[in-house]
Amino acid sequence: AQSVSQHNHHVILSEAASLELGCNYSYGGTVNLFWYVQYPGQHLQLLLKYFSGDPLVKGIKGFEAEFIKSKFSFNLRKPSVQWSDTAEYFCAVNDNFGNEKLTFGTGTRLTIIP
Amino acid sequence: GAVVSQHPSRVICKSGTSVKIECRSLDFQATTMFWYRQFPKQSLMLMATSNEGSKATYEQGVEKDKFLINHASLTLSTLTVTSAHPEDSSFYICSADQEGKTQYFGPGTRLLVL
Repeated sequence: AQSVSQHNHHVILSEAASLELGCNYSYGGTVNLFWYVQYPGQHLQLLLKYFSGDPLVKGIKGFEAEFIKSKFSFNLRKPSVQWSDTAEYFCAVNDNFGNEKLTFGTGTRLTIIP
Repeated sequence: GAVVSQHPSRVICKSGTSVKIECRSLDFQATTMFWYRQFPKQSLMLMATSNEGSKATYEQGVEKDKFLINHASLTLSTLTVTSAHPEDSSFYICSADQEGKTQYFGPGTRLLVL
């Protein structure tokens, strides 16, 4: 079964710092990869997704993620965070077998200090 | 685009009663919808996959007789928690799959069983 690891449970940064959140998955075949964000009191929103093509994917709000197949990774990055980026971030994977089920990581709580 | 709504946003009920939660895709058709539970400060746990016009597929350990799912149209899926007990108190989230590739999430329903 697919598993997704997010090793950073809670990250605290100051505004303008650079961000990288780790995501690793277990399945070695073709996968679709997603990052979702959950702002306090709000529902999950799609930040970005990767299906194929350029492994560097740009999403909303200045976020990007890089798919590195050899490392089974899909890390999320942002060069300069803002206080409004405080949220829970979830990495998710599906195995592209026509099965749309998502496997979620445990999430990373990001706190930005003004 | 890709908006998913849930109703109600929160519900309090007595133990032993049944509660119905609706999930609607507002601006797209979804042949597949998903139901999740989210425990405090944890990730999403997939409960079942709801397919329009057919029976839902439940994840291991989820009681299909307790969590009844109906997907009567391409824009509506319902989850009924039957004979609810305090341990069923949770945050229930639905998602709708757009074009078989990306899930968009509803705002969630907080259920409290007294």
